[in-house]
Amino acid sequence: QKEVEQNSGPLSVPEGAIASLNCTYSDRGSQSFFWYRQYSGKSPELIMSIYSNGDKEDGRFTAQLNKASQYVSLLIRDSQPSDSATYLCAPAGFNKFYFGSGTKLNVKP
Amino acid sequence: DAGVTQSPTHLIKTRGQHVTLRCSPISGHKSVSWYQQVLGQGPQFIFQYYEKEERGRGNFPDRFSARQFPNYSSELNVNALLLGDSALYLCASSWGGQGRNLPYEQYFGPGTRLTVT
Repeated sequence: QKEVEQNSGPLSVPEGAIASLNCTYSDRGSQSFFWYRQYSGKSPELIMSIYSNGDKEDGRFTAQLNKASQYVSLLIRDSQPSDSATYLCAPAGFNKFYFGSGTKLNVKP
Repeated sequence: DAGVTQSPTHLIKTRGQHVTLRCSPISGHKSVSWYQQVLGQGPQFIFQYYEKEERGRGNFPDRFSARQFPNYSSELNVNALLLGDSALYLCASSWGGQGRNLPYEQYFGPGTRLTVT
């Protein structure tokens, strides 16, 4: 079993729609959860962090965490073509950062 | 402020050679982590250093080693290069200081693209 599972996609949504990205993790010791965006040929860029169960909103992004279900998600509202990228889920414990393989998102104009 | 910097940007080496990659963290950050990312996969954790001490190590062979200097910059060394070592090597910077009981956010540099032929 992989430490982090993400649907590889591609997930295609029309411009202006809500994109929903999901992630499950296996290490119950994970304490912080991060979402990174990675454009093709570039390095990952931190876009969201969440530490406790529930929702956290930042602009068009909402992260959701359910530790009991070992599940974390990212919602992108009003998706834009510039959001087209691979989104990496990264649960973290002290001295351990796990990354999923990412979900590729395509936002069509 | 400058972000995380890495050098070189690209590197081509031959099997069996040795390589040294360098990283400077964000000013004020004391922790550096190294990752390997092969095409189509997420970054794989190699090492984490804080205040020159190794804090964590991923599942990589002993051919991989690293160190952190007093100015918090870091080097990743890989000996006896294999074709499978071809990847993007990423350095991530975090504050890593005391006073918080949660893992810190990590910020990535642009990476070094290593090709082994």
